[in-house]
Amino acid sequence: QQQVKQSPQSLIVQKGGISIINCAYENTAFDYFPWYQQFPGKGPALLIAIRPDVSEKKEGRFTISFNKSAKQFSLHIMDSQPGDSATYFCAASSYGGYQKVTFGTGTKLQVIP
Amino acid sequence: GAVVSQHPSRVICKSGTSVKIECRSLDFQATTMFWYRQFPKQSLMLMATSNEGSKATYEQGVEKDKFLINHASLTLSTLTVTSAHPEDSSFYICSARDPAAINTGELFFGEGSRLTVL
Repeated sequence: QQQVKQSPQSLIVQKGGISIINCAYENTAFDYFPWYQQFPGKGPALLIAIRPDVSEKKEGRFTISFNKSAKQFSLHIMDSQPGDSATYFCAASSYGGYQKVTFGTGTKLQVIP
Repeated sequence: GAVVSQHPSRVICKSGTSVKIECRSLDFQATTMFWYRQFPKQSLMLMATSNEGSKATYEQGVEKDKFLINHASLTLSTLTVTSAHPEDSSFYICSARDPAAINTGELFFGEGSRLTVL
């Protein structure tokens, strides 16, 4: 079964701190791992994504760490800000055209001042 | 990035009626669109893959006759919830891939449609 497990379910971080969200997958055919950010009442938007040929990708304050052997990947948000408060979904797909995306269960992040 | 528009954003209907939700790709042509359903504080569950000019592919457990999907053009897919009941109340979200951004694998999502069935 194509599953993506995500933890924690919720996270409270002080402003300026580091937010860390973890995901694990089972299907070794997955070769594209995006993170989506969703604000209440809105559709998700792509935040950052990684392919398994690299172990880390950084875009501004957001970093994905990828461990292919462990089939795990994580999102690190450095210098977390109140505006980062949202629900974050990790996802995975077998990219190659229009392969469907499997989403994790989501993490609700709250950054407090 | 590419823009996907959904309409209506909110709809309230009586039990037994049908509701149509539109999903449009505004600045690109999408041969494939995806329909998701999201319950409060839960993840996105893929309902079906909408293919332009052909029948939609439904995920296991999704009733084809309840959730009718039509992809009549390269920029429009519709989801019709037929004979809606309170348990169909949910947040429905569509998404699509921009062929110009196919190398990125990025999905572009609509704003979602909140359906409440009384």
